[in-house]
Amino acid sequence: ILNVEQSPQSLHVQEGDSTNFTCSFPSSNFYALHWYRWETAKSPEALFVMTLNGDEKKKGRISATLNTKEGYSYLYIKGSQPEDSATYLCAFNEGEAAGNKLTFGGGTRVLVKP
Amino acid sequence: EAGVAQSPRYKIIEKRQSVAFWCNPISGHATLYWYQQILGQGPKLLIQFQNNGVVDDSQLPKDRFSAERLKGVDSTLKIQPAKLEDSAVYLCASSLGASRVGETQYFGPGTRLLVL
Repeated sequence: ILNVEQSPQSLHVQEGDSTNFTCSFPSSNFYALHWYRWETAKSPEALFVMTLNGDEKKKGRISATLNTKEGYSYLYIKGSQPEDSATYLCAFNEGEAAGNKLTFGGGTRVLVKP
Repeated sequence: EAGVAQSPRYKIIEKRQSVAFWCNPISGHATLYWYQQILGQGPKLLIQFQNNGVVDDSQLPKDRFSAERLKGVDSTLKIQPAKLEDSAVYLCASSLGASRVGETQYFGPGTRLLVL
């Protein structure tokens, strides 16, 4: 059973502040890492798919980095806004032989306070 | 493009009752997934279909859970009989199924089940 962990489990951020949180995953047999944002009562939304060591992806004020050799990814939110409040999930892709099965971390719940 | 549709959105049942969830994936998506997300945990894959065939059902509690995708399009997930620990959000997702590493899975809004 793969171990995908996210920390912290939750965090409160003041509006306008920047924040970041971590996803750790197995460093061997890496295929891809996915980030999703899940707002309450909505569908989880795909943010990034990261496949190469050193990848950096950006979408608006949200960016992510990837280190496959040490098995971690950071997600950054710059200048947090109340609409950034959501649970952020990372998922480790086990590769084609496993049918591209995703193993999710427990999520980081972000609450941005006005 | 329409997203993944799920119904019902919410369901409350008593233990030992039966319940069924429905999912309609994005048109043209060959692969369909059912996940169970228990409060405080990440989603856990229950079953994966490629067209109407099962790819992975290793984490499906087969004594009480069943799923089908008869025509390779929409799918139903059934629980019979339900237990208290089945209270969770049941998410359906779909992907093109082109076997590309890193292929995005698109999720529906989920069905929130409460078993009393």
